[in-house]
Amino acid sequence: QQPVQSPQAVILREGEDAVINCSSSKALYSVHWYRQKHGEAPVFLMILLKGGEQKGHEKISASFNEKKQQSSLYLTASQLSYSGTYFCGTQRLGGTASKLTFGTGTRLQVTL
Amino acid sequence: DAGITQSPRHKVTETGTPVTLRCHQTENHRYMYWYRQDPGHGLRLIHYSYGVKDTDKGEVSDGYSVSRSKTEDFLLTLESATSSQTSVYFCAISTSSGGATDTQYFGPGTRLTVL
Repeated sequence: QQPVQSPQAVILREGEDAVINCSSSKALYSVHWYRQKHGEAPVFLMILLKGGEQKGHEKISASFNEKKQQSSLYLTASQLSYSGTYFCGTQRLGGTASKLTFGTGTRLQVTL
Repeated sequence: DAGITQSPRHKVTETGTPVTLRCHQTENHRYMYWYRQDPGHGLRLIHYSYGVKDTDKGEVSDGYSVSRSKTEDFLLTLESATSSQTSVYFCAISTSSGGATDTQYFGPGTRLTVL
């Protein structure tokens, strides 16, 4: 069962902040975040392990709430280069190692 | 760059014809995957491999078969292509050996159109 991402799409002006959520109905071991630009392959951003850790990548950070089985991706002071579709990939507790189930994506557009 | 190439990059074929897509990696990774990407569905796993001649089904495996006779090559075959298999196909590798912190890296993709 695919994780649910919200919102499905968001439009920002450059410099604004955004939050993208990824929720699962299954207990998770890890959440992986990717960004995909139009016509290109998804690019790995970061991995979050159960335990609620938070990680950062430039001005993009993420958290993992183990109780809620939800991860959130935070984009601060957005730049034009942040435009693209963001996917979360989840790995279930007890699931086959290295198998990810991806959400349907959140399309982010940053404008001037 | 995880050293992944896919061929062909674009293909147009007709319903009922067999099609084989190739994924090639240069870094000896054990795990390889085939996904399809369609609007509104994100990335869905077709098949994956955890070693030479070791493969398993993903969530959308009907109509597809795979083979891995060498570590570096993972082939996806559509035995008799249908229009519903029109999609963008991505190959991916995992950087570790099956652990929970493995990271997947994707190839450039193959756009397949079945007329």
